[in-house]
Amino acid sequence: GQQLNQSPQSMFIQEGEDVSMNCTSSSIFNTWLWYKQDPGEGPVLLIALYKAGELTSNGRLTAQFGITRKDSFLNISASIPSDVGIYFCAGRRYGGSQGNLIFGKGTKLSVKP
Amino acid sequence: GAVVSQHPSWVICKSGTSVKIECRSLDFQATTMFWYRQFPKQSLMLMATSNEGSKATYEQGVEKDKFLINHASLTLSTLTVTSAHPEDSSFYICSARKGSYSNQPQHFGDGTRLSIL
Repeated sequence: GQQLNQSPQSMFIQEGEDVSMNCTSSSIFNTWLWYKQDPGEGPVLLIALYKAGELTSNGRLTAQFGITRKDSFLNISASIPSDVGIYFCAGRRYGGSQGNLIFGKGTKLSVKP
Repeated sequence: GAVVSQHPSWVICKSGTSVKIECRSLDFQATTMFWYRQFPKQSLMLMATSNEGSKATYEQGVEKDKFLINHASLTLSTLTVTSAHPEDSSFYICSARKGSYSNQPQHFGDGTRLSIL
């Protein structure tokens, strides 16, 4: 079945450092979404991307929809302790059933003060 | 905004009990809602897609008689885990899609932690 490859699986960084994570697919996607999930809570939408090449920012977060339509990345600049959590990419394939999302396996981010 | 409320946030009950989980879109109408299951340290697994006024579409391997879904209004979908057993213990999360276009983002509830003793 269709899978999203999200990397890295986990990251341990120092406060103030920049972070980069990405997702790749073997299929073409028409939508890329990035979510953050805190323990015991539901995912919260961070950034939504709809066009190839689109670059969108949300505060210290920046995400891009890859030109090939098969990948996306999320960057976090100047990380702070509250950035800790699990970040999921999610995509919607062309022709996907009812626009269902496919999720990556997540990137667990730990920030050391 | 796009607020999705899920209730209850956690449930502990005996084996054989049926449990109902509610998912409400508070400030928008949601023609389509989704139900996910998440195991510890894993990603979200789509269980079913709930469409207002019609039968839910279940993913392969999900028992529709076990996980009953009702989407009676544009702001409420319910998931009932019938005759729950310990293996049904998990974190269940709903999401709602704002708007009628399939490429609109899904907004998630805070999840329901279900523990079956």
